[in-house]
This record gives sequence, structure tokens and C-alpha cells, in this order.
Amino acid sequence: KAGVTQTPRYLIKTRGQQVTLSCSPISGHRSVSWYQQTPGQGLQFLFEYFSETQRNKGNFPGRFSGRQFSNSRSEMNVSTLELGDSALYLCASSPLPTSNEQFFGPGTRLTVL
Amino acid sequence: GQQLNQSPQSMFIQEGEDVSMNCTSSSIFNTWLWYKQDPGEGPVLLIALYKAGELTSNGRLTAQFGITRKDSFLNISASIPSDVGIYFCAGQTGTASKLTFGTGTRLQVTL
Repeated sequence: KAGVTQTPRYLIKTRGQQVTLSCSPISGHRSVSWYQQTPGQGLQFLFEYFSETQRNKGNFPGRFSGRQFSNSRSEMNVSTLELGDSALYLCASSPLPTSNEQFFGPGTRLTVL
Repeated sequence: GQQLNQSPQSMFIQEGEDVSMNCTSSSIFNTWLWYKQDPGEGPVLLIALYKAGELTSNGRLTAQFGITRKDSFLNISASIPSDVGIYFCAGQTGTASKLTFGTGTRLQVTL
């Protein structure tokens, strides 16, 4: 069974631009969560989607948004990029929101110049 | 954002040695998870714990869910070079999928 896939793996943007990251969950998994990983703050929860609805949101500004499609694939968008948005963005999938075990993709490394 | 306290921050050990690391929280969690992350990759789930006091093994790895539900421990026996990486604990409450992660323990194994 294929794991969680994320595209692109690497991205370089400049301040003020916007970016869209994509995540395809494990086949049959319907819940997708996004996390930001930085050296200073570690792994921080961004949001979670299930059945195309956001169920839970972390403490991030409104510039961070996401959505989920009917096939469970998810995208996250960051608008008006700031230098501090440089991070590894990780997507995790699980069968259901109540499933305790989440499986992570390899991440998208975003660098903002 | 909140992070769980994980210790030690880093460890340098010799191949064959046993390793212990722990994670503490000011909040109660219903589930504790342990992940390992290799450079350039996402975290990989090692062990999941669901009940206070539970002791679970996965090969050379053993983890325990603290009875106060505010801590967890991970032991690695007879370490090998491929154990190198960063180990994260993560706590989960209720039915929410949101994971709160620890600060990580970087493990280096020398031959």
C-alpha cells in the first residue's frame, strides 16, 4: 500500500508570494492533518480535515488555509509569505478522525527568501 | 505553540548500549505515540499507547504510558547504527486527531 505522498518536495518562494502544497493520503484514509516543523517551534499542528470539512485548527494566522477534496486529497495554502514561514510542512493521514495512529508523508520543504 | 518536554535533548551512545528517553506534560493525554524521524523524511510511527500504565514492545523498543497520564517513556535495547535519528513523543486527547509533539531526542550511535 502506498504511503502518504506530498508534492512538491522542495519549494523556494519570496516574501509576499503565496504557495499551495498538496497531500495525497494513504488509500482508504479519510482524515488528513497538516503540521509545520521548524527548528525553533518543533512540530506544530496546523489543521485537520475530514469529509471535506475542517474539524480542528491550530494556532496559526489566517494566512494559512486548507481544503480537502472528495477523494480525500488535501491542499494547504499560505498567502503573503513571510520569512518565518520557512519550514518543513508535513501531512499525516489516518482512517478516521478518531483513529489514534497518524501516518506522515515525507513533507514539503518551503524556503522563503 | 505547546510542546511536550522531552529528555534528554541528545544522546551519544555506543552500539550495543541501551537507551532511555522520556516525555512529560502538564496536561493529561489519552494516547501517547512515539515517532522516529530521519533527515529529510517525515516521522515514522514506532509505538502507540492507549491506557495508563500500559507497557508495549515493538522489537527492541519498549514504551510505557505513565500512570498519571502526563508522561511516557521509551527504551531501546542493544542499539544499532540504524537507530540514529530524532525520536519524538506525541500526546493526543479525546477524539481529536491533533497531536502535541515533544521537543525531540536526537540519538547518535557510534560503532
